[in-house]
This record gives sequence, C-alpha cells and structure tokens, in this order.
Amino acid sequence: AQTIHQWPVAEIKAVGSPLSLGCTIKGKSSPNLYWYWQATGGTLQQLFYSITVGQVESVVQLNLSASRPKDDQFILSTEKLLLSHSGFYLCAWSLQGNTEVFFGKGTRLTVV
Amino acid sequence: GDSVTQTEGLVTLTEGLPVMLNCTYQSTYSPFLFWYVQHLNEAPKLLLKSFTDNKRPEHQGFHATLHKSSSSFHLQKSSAQLSDSALYYCALIYQGGSAKLIFGEGTKLTVSS
Repeated sequence: AQTIHQWPVAEIKAVGSPLSLGCTIKGKSSPNLYWYWQATGGTLQQLFYSITVGQVESVVQLNLSASRPKDDQFILSTEKLLLSHSGFYLCAWSLQGNTEVFFGKGTRLTVV
Repeated sequence: GDSVTQTEGLVTLTEGLPVMLNCTYQSTYSPFLFWYVQHLNEAPKLLLKSFTDNKRPEHQGFHATLHKSSSSFHLQKSSAQLSDSALYYCALIYQGGSAKLIFGEGTKLTVSS
C-alpha cells in the first residue's frame, strides 16, 4: 500500500532562519507530487508541483523553493524565513493521468 | 484562466436541515471535479469525485452532480449531522492535462444542535 510521510510534524523557527520540509511517498512509482500551503484559517494554496524527478513547476513561490531529488522525495525549503511563512504545509501525490490527490498529514510551521 | 468559485465562506446550519454548498468552475478543458473535506488540524481528504459518465457520486450521505452546462458541482446532503462540521473544498484537475490541482476558497460548514 502507498504511504506518504511528511517531516517534521511541527516546527517553530526564527525569522531569517533556514527551513527544509520533506515528504516521501512509498508504494507508487513516478507519482505527481505537490506542495500546498494553508495560512491559519485560510484556503489551500498550491505552491509547487512535480511530474518527474528533477522537474519542479512553481505555482506561487512565496520566497520558497522546491526540489525533487528522487522519484519518491519532495523537498520544500528557503534560506530565510519570513513571518508570513507560518502556516500548515501539505505534501500530496497523485498518479499520472490526473486522478485523486492524496494528502500527507502536514507540517505546522510557526515563524517567530 | 481556470478557477473554482465557492461563493459561501461560512455556512451555519441546525442539525437535520439539508446541506448545499455551491461550487462553480471555469476551465478551458473538461476537468475532473472533486470535493475535499478537512476537519480541524487534519489534512484534506477526498469526499467525492465527478464521473465522466454523468453518474452521481455519493459518499457518507453527500452527493454532487456535475452540470457541464452551468459549470457547477454543488455538494448536497439531505440532513446535516454535527460531525459534518468541517472545511469543504471544491477542486478541479484536468483530464489528461497538467498536474495542477486548483482549489476553491473553501466553505466552512458549522452544524449545531
């Protein structure tokens, strides 16, 4: 069975510090991968998506970057956090052919 | 551009009353439509997905019908339950197109006794 694992579960980071969030999908080869961000009380905003290793498309950057170093891994990062980066970050996957999207449990980020 | 519109940001209902959450969309190509439900501090989960053959998807008492003529995919339930309180998102994705999944603004449904 396929599983999606996000890490860390929660982070409290200082403004100006770097950030790296990770996501791993097991049990499916060549999935589409996504990063979403949700401000507290806000809607889901797609940040990035990737349909293959090494290729990442930006939807909304928010001073963040994403990489897909392996088929089953998606990384979200920034070198300098802003207060506005606080929120809930969700990794998700779907199969090629645009079917249902499955979400991970998310990472709660608080920037102070 | 392609978009999903959910006109109600907040819907408050009494238990037992019918639920209808609106969703309309704009898309260049024929999309798949979805309803996702997100409970507090949890990830969104798929509730319903449109079919290509005009069947009406149903799950947990909820149903939705894709009307291509009006570009709508409204979510309905005959009788609201307290446990239905959550955030509901309508979303679309292209059939065979890009991997971009577009969400609406979301509707917060609060059901009280």
